[in-house]
Amino acid sequence: DAGITQSPRHKVTETGTPVTLRCHQTENHRYMYWYRQDPGHGLRLIHYSYGVKDTDKGEVSDGYSVSRSKTEDFLLTLESATSSQTSVYFCAISDSSGGKQETQYFGPGTRLLVL
Amino acid sequence: SQQGEEDPQALSIQEGENATMNCSYKTSINNLQWYRQNSGRGLVHLILIRSNEREKHSGRLRVTLDTSKKSSSLLITASRAADTASYFCATGLYTGANSKLTFGKGITLSVRP
Repeated sequence: DAGITQSPRHKVTETGTPVTLRCHQTENHRYMYWYRQDPGHGLRLIHYSYGVKDTDKGEVSDGYSVSRSKTEDFLLTLESATSSQTSVYFCAISDSSGGKQETQYFGPGTRLLVL
Repeated sequence: SQQGEEDPQALSIQEGENATMNCSYKTSINNLQWYRQNSGRGLVHLILIRSNEREKHSGRLRVTLDTSKKSSSLLITASRAADTASYFCATGLYTGANSKLTFGKGITLSVRP
């Protein structure tokens, strides 16, 4: 999985609790992304980062925050988990080719169940 | 908003047959990519075709892009049981210094031995 790890791989939590998912890469890629995958919706972008401390919102960012204090780590926080955030979360990375990042490389995913 | 829409949603073929999957999109793109996802795993990049290209090959994969029809197709020739997976098209668009991918909902391919 292109030097990308996600932790934890599985998590069960209760509604209202904060949850942090971690993505760690060893590829020194500049760009990192968080997606969620749900049946019938495919992959949807939550947040992405284009450098240390540089992040931006994606399509479904409500209820999520991110932080990137080091090139290799990108954290996704569910501030107060809800059942609608039960999903499989994927981290992805990419680097620049000719100034534009194109191909993305995905981590193994984190299965989150919010009860 | 979903950009790529794959067709069919599910495809079942016999080993050795060819598999053709289609993707349509709505707005301008800079590139279109195809990814594969095996059950319980992350997505794996298969092939990228840029908006000024019409056809690309990679091993048993052939992808075409018709920007006038806003559509792409992925052909897997001589399919194998190991090709059983979900396949996603993703449209890439450059936005300033960044680019984003928008994924379709995926096609489930089953290859029967």
